[in-house]
Amino acid sequence: DVVMTQSPLSLPVTLGQPASISCRSSQSLVYSDGNTYLNWFQQRPGQSPRRLIYKVSNRDSGVPDRFSGSGSGTDFTLEISRVEAEDVGVYYCMQATHWPPITFGQGTRLDIK
Amino acid sequence: EVQLVESGGGLVQPGGSLRLSCAVSAFSFSSYSMTWVRQAPGKGLEWVANIKPDGFEKHYVDSVKGRFTISRDNAKTSFYLQMDSLRVEDTAIYFCSTGAWSLGNWGQGTLVTVSS
Repeated sequence: DVVMTQSPLSLPVTLGQPASISCRSSQSLVYSDGNTYLNWFQQRPGQSPRRLIYKVSNRDSGVPDRFSGSGSGTDFTLEISRVEAEDVGVYYCMQATHWPPITFGQGTRLDIK
Repeated sequence: EVQLVESGGGLVQPGGSLRLSCAVSAFSFSSYSMTWVRQAPGKGLEWVANIKPDGFEKHYVDSVKGRFTISRDNAKTSFYLQMDSLRVEDTAIYFCSTGAWSLGNWGQGTLVTVSS
């Protein structure tokens, strides 16, 4: 199974400051069709997960443009340009290149300093 | 707006069974795979199973193989998770989601508690 490793696991951030979450996979996530099936999800306290980014860098409809995804191969990053209070929650990366099983990172808890 | 509504969770003893349902609306249900994901209390997300649009190809995480069965009814735009031989470690919130790799839409989740 592909292991997804996120860092940091806890991320205290000052309002208005940037934040960055790293996600590394145990093998390349480039699929034979040329796509890289790496998604990012946000889970606010008490809510269901919500997809923010799909295939590395494609932002979902309604997701603020302060969220961006980047990376390739085995190294990926979710960046928030200016953290707002509503961004508090847990962020997960997920790979669906080598499945089954689809695998998630452990999650990164973002809170406000 | 796409909506997914799970039902069927509850308290069950070890070795018991439950059947979860996910009703999907405002979505091209019969054209897409569907997925179940679970989250144990205070833990991260774990992919459980998915099913292709025609209902014939199904995949499971190793820990539930032989105990859980995913199915769907395209006419009812619903899919299901039959859970047998439940274990304490199956205790979790179970979410349904659209797609095989995309997981673009999620339900609110249904809590399954396995305890004696």
